[in-house]
Amino acid sequence: QSVLTQPPSVSGAPGQRVSISCTGSNSNIGAGYDVHWYQQLPGTAPKLLIYRNNNRPSGVPDRFSGSKSGTSASLAISGLQADDEADYYCQSYDSSLTDYVFGPGTKVTVL
Amino acid sequence: EVQLVQSGAEVKKPGESLKISCEASGYTFTSHWIGWVRQMPGKGLEWVGIIYPADSDTRYSPSFQGQVTISADKSIGTAYLQWSSLKASDTAMYYCVRLLEQWLVTWGQGTLVTVSS
Repeated sequence: QSVLTQPPSVSGAPGQRVSISCTGSNSNIGAGYDVHWYQQLPGTAPKLLIYRNNNRPSGVPDRFSGSKSGTSASLAISGLQADDEADYYCQSYDSSLTDYVFGPGTKVTVL
Repeated sequence: EVQLVQSGAEVKKPGESLKISCEASGYTFTSHWIGWVRQMPGKGLEWVGIIYPADSDTRYSPSFQGQVTISADKSIGTAYLQWSSLKASDTAMYYCVRLLEQWLVTWGQGTLVTVSS
């Protein structure tokens, strides 16, 4: 049971915008710890997508954006493309567990 | 180019020991925490633990404390994850990762560990 919650799946048509939530508590996101996002394409290793809530590493398209407010964070994908089909994980730090934590992951399906 | 290259897939029997490796290149090995992440078949990502190669300071996620050992050899820029007695429940893909502050900036390609009698 993860301390971060994500919807199991989201879907959208090509070109649409989808959003994935990552909800935590006052011992992780709400305590001010940053949220980071990873994309895992089928059969591959995860890749860093967003770091420190809303920063994109070099090479990540600006269709991907992140935000954080209170005890939650969100990843938005605009202009959805077929090759965005993947699992997306949020990650933060929890002061009660004194450990890094992942969300359970969200599968994005392009209809 | 920063790279983490992991050792190949392993098939082991319950009770056997195993040590998998992660060779780092393209950056100063002793300047960044390096860690391990487990992904069981069809499941999500789980923290195993991290090590700071400069002084071998090691932190384990509570679920993995006492179950695995993380180590690093800074003379050859390589980190390790080892088990003394494997269980079927250790079957998973294991990724090594390089941390930058609190995010995982670089991932290895993964090492699949299969434990079966």
